[in-house]
Amino acid sequence: AQSVTQPDIHITVSEGASLELRCNYSYGATPYLFWYVQSPGQGLQLLLKYFSGDTLVQGIKGFEAEFKRSQSSFNLRKPSVHWSDAAEYFCAVASNQAGTALIFGKGTTLSVSS
Amino acid sequence: GAVVSQHPSWVICKSGTSVKIECRSLDFQATTMFWYRQFPKQSLMLMATSNEGSKATYEQGVEKDKFLINHASLTLSTLTVTSAHPEDSSFYICSARTMGGNQPQHFGDGTRLSIL
Repeated sequence: AQSVTQPDIHITVSEGASLELRCNYSYGATPYLFWYVQSPGQGLQLLLKYFSGDTLVQGIKGFEAEFKRSQSSFNLRKPSVHWSDAAEYFCAVASNQAGTALIFGKGTTLSVSS
Repeated sequence: GAVVSQHPSWVICKSGTSVKIECRSLDFQATTMFWYRQFPKQSLMLMATSNEGSKATYEQGVEKDKFLINHASLTLSTLTVTSAHPEDSSFYICSARTMGGNQPQHFGDGTRLSIL
């Protein structure tokens, strides 16, 4: 069965520092991978997605993620964090694009200190 | 582009009443819509998947008679929580996607349901 693990429940980063949020997935074939961000009381916004091809994908708001098949990982990175990046981040996997719903990790709460 | 509107954003009602939540795709045709439930500080749990013109497919453990889903058009899906009780209080989020390869889901802003 597919699953997604986000090992870090809560991370605090200083403003301007770099960020890496971890995501590991379990799936037999090549998965479709996503990172979403959720502000309090809001829905989810897609940051980036990986379907195939280049394993380093660029997203919105300066985020990027790297797909590493050997490690079953899809970690999210940002070189310099802004206070507005404080939010909940969810990694998700789908087995295919034919309407299959997403399986989410439990999320990582990012706090940004000044 | 790819905007999903969810309404209402917040609803408070008495126990025993039914509540309808709407999910609309504003600028694309949503062949598939998904309904999720999110408890405080937790991840999203898929409740059901609905394809336009078809009956919804419910996840295990979700009562289909309790959570009625209708996807009558390519831009609108509704979730009706029937005879709501306090334990149904939660944050409900819909998402929508269109047909075709490499199409991600786009999420609404969610509906906070509080049952008194």
